Amino acid sequence: QSVLTQPPSVSAAPRQKVTISCSGSSSNIGKNYVSWYQQLPGTAPKLLIYDNDNRPSGIPDRFSGSKSGTSATLGITGLQTGDEADYYCETWDSSLSVVVFGGGTKLTVL
Amino acid sequence: EVQLVESGGGLIQPGGSLRLSCAASGFTVSSKYMSWVRQAPGKGLECVSVIYSDVNTQYADSVKGRFTISRDNSKNTLYLQMNSLRAEDTAVYFCARGVVSAHNAFDIWGQGTMVTVSS
Repeated sequence: QSVLTQPPSVSAAPRQKVTISCSGSSSNIGKNYVSWYQQLPGTAPKLLIYDNDNRPSGIPDRFSGSKSGTSATLGITGLQTGDEADYYCETWDSSLSVVVFGGGTKLTVL
Repeated sequence: EVQLVESGGGLIQPGGSLRLSCAASGFTVSSKYMSWVRQAPGKGLECVSVIYSDVNTQYADSVKGRFTISRDNSKNTLYLQMNSLRAEDTAVYFCARGVVSAHNAFDIWGQGTMVTVSS
């Protein structure tokens, strides 16, 4: 059971927009920064967003992040078939004193 | 080129020990915080351990007292010593590099090494 709650799956058509939610609590998202990762099948995770809404160099601006209260959201616009992957949110939990990941969300581009 | 290469995984009996290595190139492990993240077959990601400095390490409750993270700056390598292994430790283990200017974000990942705990 993950400390951070994500929907198991989301889907949308090519060129459309999708959002993935990550719900936490006051001890994690509520007081710490959130990162997002993309994991393509059979590969290592890739950092998409750090510190809530910052993109590393090389990540297209189709990917965006936001945070409000104890929840965070990853947005992806202009969906492509290559975006089909698992997406994970991650943050620090101040009560547990550990880095925690969400359970992951599988994105299907129909 | 900046990269991480894990090694040391394999099949081990319950109760056994294993040491994973993560060789870094293109940067020095001593200048970054580093982590081990595992993924059980068909499951999500779990952060096993993070090393911020030689005196500041963090462990998931599931491995506390059994696993030890360390680094050898002379070899530019990160390690994970795993003792008293259990079936539930079976997973792909990734090492990852922390982004110094960010808060607990990991930007470079290795390809992973599989650990199977079974009799």
